[in-house]
Amino acid sequence: TQLLEQSPQFLSIQEGENLTVYCNSSSVFSSLQWYRQEPGEGPVLLVTVVTGGEVKKLKRLTFQFGDARKDSSLHITAAQPGDTGLYLCAGAQGGGNQFYFGTGTSLTVIP
Amino acid sequence: ETGVTQSPTHLIKTRGQQVTLRCSSQSGHNTVSWYQQALGQGPQFIFQYYREEENGRGNFPPRFSGLQFPNYSSELNVNALELDDSALYLCASSWGVQINTEAFFGQGTRLTVV
Repeated sequence: TQLLEQSPQFLSIQEGENLTVYCNSSSVFSSLQWYRQEPGEGPVLLVTVVTGGEVKKLKRLTFQFGDARKDSSLHITAAQPGDTGLYLCAGAQGGGNQFYFGTGTSLTVIP
Repeated sequence: ETGVTQSPTHLIKTRGQQVTLRCSSQSGHNTVSWYQQALGQGPQFIFQYYREEENGRGNFPPRFSGLQFPNYSSELNVNALELDDSALYLCASSWGVQINTEAFFGQGTRLTVV
């Protein structure tokens, strides 16, 4: 059972397009992280957000934590083939770093 | 590379057997968390070890057990393997268990149960 639901599950877009991935839950999280995972590799941390309403930007990636700390979004501007991968959100409850991962969004950017 | 190494990388076992997976944490890290990632799904938290003690457990049966050694490396043991145990097993190491502590993942062990 996954506490966090991601949408869409699969996304295939052309290079240069914009996209948004959503991560939703009915539970409140003390922090939320976004990871990218490539085939045969472990997840790699992209960002951590801890404050409701927080927005963080990492080059062409924009991350937002919902005001109620139950949801988050990842927006990619002008997607590139190097952005291809599995995007995972992960939330922690309480004060620790034990994470509950989302269902994942598989992104393919076509050149 | 994250400095977290897992062994073996691939493993095939028969239903009912037992398996031990190993994780060497990044230098200086005292916390190891284990996750199970079934095909096409996100990782699910199994348990976490902090300074050789279990520090939290997910919704996994007792046949999943673990150990952390004085050098902070860790083992995941699974008894009485079932077909549904086939998955990628990931370990992540961190310095401490605080909310903002970044965890670094290894490449995982792909376990196939036949």
